[in-house]
Amino acid sequence: DIQMTQSPSFLSASVGERVTLSCRASQNINKYLDWYQQKLGEAPKLLIYNTNNLHTGIPSRFSGSGSGTDYTLTISSLQPEDVATYFCLQRNSWPLTFGSGTKLEIK
Amino acid sequence: QVQLQQSGAELAKPGTSVKLSCKASGYTFTSYYIYWVKQRPGQGLEWIGYIYPGNGGTYYSEKFKGKATFTADTSSSTAYMLLGSLTPEDSAYYFCARGGGSPLDYWGQGVMVTVSS
Repeated sequence: DIQMTQSPSFLSASVGERVTLSCRASQNINKYLDWYQQKLGEAPKLLIYNTNNLHTGIPSRFSGSGSGTDYTLTISSLQPEDVATYFCLQRNSWPLTFGSGTKLEIK
Repeated sequence: QVQLQQSGAELAKPGTSVKLSCKASGYTFTSYYIYWVKQRPGQGLEWIGYIYPGNGGTYYSEKFKGKATFTADTSSSTAYMLLGSLTPEDSAYYFCARGGGSPLDYWGQGVMVTVSS
């Protein structure tokens, strides 16, 4: 199975700050990498798919990049409503595997 | 609009089974996979597997083989997951989500399963 490692596990940042979350795969996943946002008590929500494609309705302050084994989610200007846990997911091969998540809070 | 509506919370005794449902609407049920995901309270997400209602094909993550069984009723656009031989480690939220060669773009609201004697 492909192992997905997210860093950091916890991040505290100020409103308006640029924030970068990382996800590393144990092998090449050919850009089949998605990012999901989960707010407390809610189901996860798709933000970005296939590394850098913004899902419908997602604000443009979210962006993704990466290739091979290393991927990044960037929030260009952190907003209070972005408080959540963010998970990456590889869809390159079965079984699908999630990262352990980054919990993002406002400083 | 696409919706996945899951059944209500379950309280079950160890050693028994529960059957969770996920009713789809707003799209062609047989054209997408239904994935199932487990999340223990305060923990991360575990992918359990999928069913493809188009042909009934299934795939189970190794950890969940023998634990989960997927079925689908195309007449009612509903997917099911049977969880058997329940233990306290099966206490968790379970989500269904639409996918298949595409990201998990729509999710059910989740259902809490509590296993306790």
